[in-house]
Amino acid sequence: DAGVTQSPTHLIKTRGQHVTLRCSPISGHKSVSWYQQVLGQGPQFIFQYYEKEERGRGNFPDRFSARQFPNYSSELNVNALLLGDSALYLCASSLRGVEKLFFGSGTQLSVL
Amino acid sequence: GEDVEQSLFLSVREGDSSVINCTYTDSSSTYLYWYKQEPGAGLQLLTYIFSNMDMKQDQRLTVLLNKKDKHLSLRIADTQTGDSAIYFCAERYDKIIFGKGTRLHILP
Repeated sequence: DAGVTQSPTHLIKTRGQHVTLRCSPISGHKSVSWYQQVLGQGPQFIFQYYEKEERGRGNFPDRFSARQFPNYSSELNVNALLLGDSALYLCASSLRGVEKLFFGSGTQLSVL
Repeated sequence: GEDVEQSLFLSVREGDSSVINCTYTDSSSTYLYWYKQEPGAGLQLLTYIFSNMDMKQDQRLTVLLNKKDKHLSLRIADTQTGDSAIYFCAERYDKIIFGKGTRLHILP
């Protein structure tokens, strides 16, 4: 079975632009979580979705939004990009809640 | 608030045991985890322990939990070059909170 897949793997944007990152969970997993990992830091929680509903939100500005589709895939959107948004964005899926997260390889976003 | 602390760097000789330590703040944590991250990759769940357990062993990995001191440790027996990575401690209450990671360096 395929693991968590994320696209694109790398992305370069300029300040002020917006970006959409995509994630497909492991088959059968209904929950998706998004994390931001800045270089040298641990992952920071952004969102969790379960059955298409937001179940948790971290301390991120409203420029960050996400949604989950009926097939349980998910998108993370970031508007008005700032230099500080440069990071590895990780998607993780789990069966239901957040007991055990399985991570994708991430999308490396560079904002110039 | 929630916080997970771990030392940033550990250097160990190949064949020795590695012990990575972590402290956490939320006494209500239900699960505690160890994740491994290799360069350019996402995080891989290595092992986890329920908060009502003291120890868990899984092949070369041993997790010890001291709830009184809110201290978690990961012991890797017979450390190999393939164990070179960043190891993240994490706690779960309503969401999973990660530490900053410990970079494990293996000496020949």
